[in-house]
Amino acid sequence: KQEVTQIPAALSVPEGENLVLNCSFTDSAIYNLQWFRQDPGKGLTSLLLIQSSQREQTSGRLNASLDKSSGRSTLYIAASQPGDSATYLCAVNLLGRGAQKLVFGQGTRLTINP
Amino acid sequence: DARVTQTPRHKVTEMGQEVTMRCQPILGHNTVFWYRQTMMQGLELLAYFRNRAPLDDSGMPKDRFSAEMPDATLATLKIQPSEPRDSAVYFCASARTGSDTEAFFGQGTRLTVV
Repeated sequence: KQEVTQIPAALSVPEGENLVLNCSFTDSAIYNLQWFRQDPGKGLTSLLLIQSSQREQTSGRLNASLDKSSGRSTLYIAASQPGDSATYLCAVNLLGRGAQKLVFGQGTRLTINP
Repeated sequence: DARVTQTPRHKVTEMGQEVTMRCQPILGHNTVFWYRQTMMQGLELLAYFRNRAPLDDSGMPKDRFSAEMPDATLATLKIQPSEPRDSAVYFCASARTGSDTEAFFGQGTRLTVV
């Protein structure tokens, strides 16, 4: 059974710092990996998708890496801003029975202090 | 502006009542997921459909939950009878099959069973 773990569970840093969120998964047979952001009381917003054949993806101040063989992904946020405060979730997309199935970690609650 | 639409956004009901939640996936997406989010369990996959056919509903309590896709533009999740432990936020997501496609989530239905 695929398990996804995110460390740390919560992180608080001052504005302007660069930071890294970690995601690990137990089964490397994944289709792709997706990072999401969730604001309190809101839905999930997709940030980045990394295909299983890729090593990293970048979008603005965000960079996500994937090391499938070791079962790890990181989300790097550069020059953090208070607006980045949210819960960040990673999800692995399992290829099972010919279809896709997202399994989520518990998330990292990020607070950026002005 | 393509988005997944869920209705209702909020629902308060009494224990024992039937609850129906609806989801309109993004046009052209052939995979639809239902997730439940609670503080304790995080995001749990309840069921998912591909091309309107149910592929996996192993995460769903079979005795009271049912999920259907009567057509390509509508997915429903029904709880009958509802119980207080069903209180959670229910999310619908849709995607196109393929390693390079992202899953997009609706805003969720916040269900409270009293």
